[in-house]
Amino acid sequence: SAVISQKPSRDICQRGTSLTIQCQVDSQVTMMFWYRQQPGQSLTLIATANQGSEATYESGFVIDKFPISRPNLTFSTLTVSNMSPEDSSIYLCSVPGLINTEAFFGQGTRLTVV
Amino acid sequence: QKEVEQDPGPLSVPEGAIVSLNCTYSNSAFQYFMWYRQYSRKGPELLMYTYSSGNKEDGRFTAQVDKSSKYISLFIRDSQPSDSATYLCAMIDSGNTGKLIFGQGTTLQVKP
Repeated sequence: SAVISQKPSRDICQRGTSLTIQCQVDSQVTMMFWYRQQPGQSLTLIATANQGSEATYESGFVIDKFPISRPNLTFSTLTVSNMSPEDSSIYLCSVPGLINTEAFFGQGTRLTVV
Repeated sequence: QKEVEQDPGPLSVPEGAIVSLNCTYSNSAFQYFMWYRQYSRKGPELLMYTYSSGNKEDGRFTAQVDKSSKYISLFIRDSQPSDSATYLCAMIDSGNTGKLIFGQGTTLQVKP
């Protein structure tokens, strides 16, 4: 199994500012995923971060709003830019396991925008 | 219509009860069906997965898949207070490694 550390675990931010969330994995992985979990909603995939290439964004998510970095095989960041209260959510990073049915998640970053 | 539908609950049961959690889906390409458990302020963790149709049992947990009805279930026998969590179903089609489609999650509370 993979151990994933996410920072910060929570934050309260002013609207219009940006927050960068860090995700560190204890092993090298090709793909990392960023999800959003809005209150009372399912996890929604934001983007797939591959090392050495641009992130692939899902429908409804754009790079200007959620820029992603993937400098190496164990680390990624997600930035939530120009935040509004609608961005209040839990953001989770994830990596696939040895079988493609398995995904390991960080503990999440609980973001509140005021 | 969402690809995966799950009743959010909450569901409250007494300790020892049998719990039934369910999801329906619309995409017939889904091949792998997973159940994740998420405790408060934690990330989801994989509980069980099933490939295609059929049943799978692991201790007190049984996962069922009925592809003809596009319906999956998770049964918890002899439920314990420690089972109190949110249970999310998730699905993946055979061509999308790592890209999971989640249900909304059902919040379960098992009362002592």
